[in-house]
Amino acid sequence: QQQVKQSPQSLIVQKGGISIINCAYENTAFDYFPWYQQFPGKGPALLIAIRPDVSEKKEGRFTISFNKSAKQFSLHIMDSQPGDSATYFCAGADTDKLIFGTGTRLQVFP
Amino acid sequence: DAGVIQSPRHEVTEMGQEVTLRCKPISGHNSLFWYRQTMMRGLELLIYFNNNVPIDDSGMPEDRFSAKMPNASFSTLKIQPSEPRDSAVYFCASSFAGFGNTIYFGEGSWLTVV
Repeated sequence: QQQVKQSPQSLIVQKGGISIINCAYENTAFDYFPWYQQFPGKGPALLIAIRPDVSEKKEGRFTISFNKSAKQFSLHIMDSQPGDSATYFCAGADTDKLIFGTGTRLQVFP
Repeated sequence: DAGVIQSPRHEVTEMGQEVTLRCKPISGHNSLFWYRQTMMRGLELLIYFNNNVPIDDSGMPEDRFSAKMPNASFSTLKIQPSEPRDSAVYFCASSFAGFGNTIYFGEGSWLTVV
């Protein structure tokens, strides 16, 4: 079921820095790519999502960059804050179901 | 909106016992998903339902696992008999079916099999 590869597994960033998480997918049927954010003890929640007909989507400090030909996409968190410390999952959607990457644990230090 | 409600939140059971996890999806949603989260394998889709009908159960690990959705507001995931390797967080999630619609997760059921 591993159709989405995510890296790095963990990431440590200083407050104010840029956090970058990368994903690659195999299934060319995927046509929707969300990112989910998960805090300890909670379920994942949608953060931002993109469709492959655009190369970039920005919402506040969060940006998705998408490269359809390379089958890769990434999440950039600008001006990272301690409150961003969480686990981030990328995913690809095949019809109604989401296939997730393995997650990246982000720690932002003050 | 109460969100997706799961029970129990935590369960510790002995190997060989039956475990039943319960889920109430968000009212009006017609797709329901069961995911399992472990450190090693991340978030794995076990099964999903659309309009109470199982659509894809290819992620169910083996015959010890079964899931039902008797009506639009209730689903169960059963493990019988349970094994230590089943220890994980099990998430239920729901959405209004349609491409690109947001999937909403519950807070998970933390299962430990000793």
